[in-house]
Amino acid sequence: AQSVAQPEDQVNVAEGNPLTVKCTYSVSGNPYLFWYVQYPNRGLQFLLKYITGDNLVKGSYGFEAEFNKSQTSFHLKKPSALVSDSALYFCAVYNTGGFKTIFGAGTRLFVKA
Amino acid sequence: DAGVTQSPTHLIKTRGQHVTLRCSPISGHKSVSWYQQVLGQGPQFIFQYYEKEERGRGNFPDRFSARQFPNYSSELNVNALLLGDSALYLCASSIRDGGTDTQYFGPGTRLTVL
Repeated sequence: AQSVAQPEDQVNVAEGNPLTVKCTYSVSGNPYLFWYVQYPNRGLQFLLKYITGDNLVKGSYGFEAEFNKSQTSFHLKKPSALVSDSALYFCAVYNTGGFKTIFGAGTRLFVKA
Repeated sequence: DAGVTQSPTHLIKTRGQHVTLRCSPISGHKSVSWYQQVLGQGPQFIFQYYEKEERGRGNFPDRFSARQFPNYSSELNVNALLLGDSALYLCASSIRDGGTDTQYFGPGTRLTVL
């Protein structure tokens, strides 16, 4: 069965510092991995995805994610955090067999000024 | 271009009632998916429809049903509501890109069951 795990419920970082939000996955076959962000009382916004190719994927709002096949990880990163980055972040894997996206439990990011 | 739209924004129902939630996809998107997001959890997949046909179904009871119309809009119906059905219901439309679907979400419908 395909799944994703986000080991941290919450990540705290100071504004201007680099941030990392962790995600590990379990899939059979090629992984199709995604990151989404959710602001309060809003739907999810697509940030970036990995299908194949370069292990470093660049996305919206300065975010990037590093795909590591040997560690089955897909961590979200940003070189310099902004207070406005504070939100709930979800890692997800696309299940081609079931035509569905499986989401992790989410990680809440707090960026302190 | 308009994004995914959902109606209503909020809804309050009582146990045993039924509810219909509506979704309009992004223009050009032929696939619509529905998710349930309970407070504090990630979204859980309910259905995916493509070209009016059900293409995927999550682990939800038969009280949940959906359909997609010729204009690709979609409805999610939930019968015999339970307190545990209280959640944010998210609709996503998608387009195939590089071998996978990239989903774009609407703002959701907040359902409260009393």
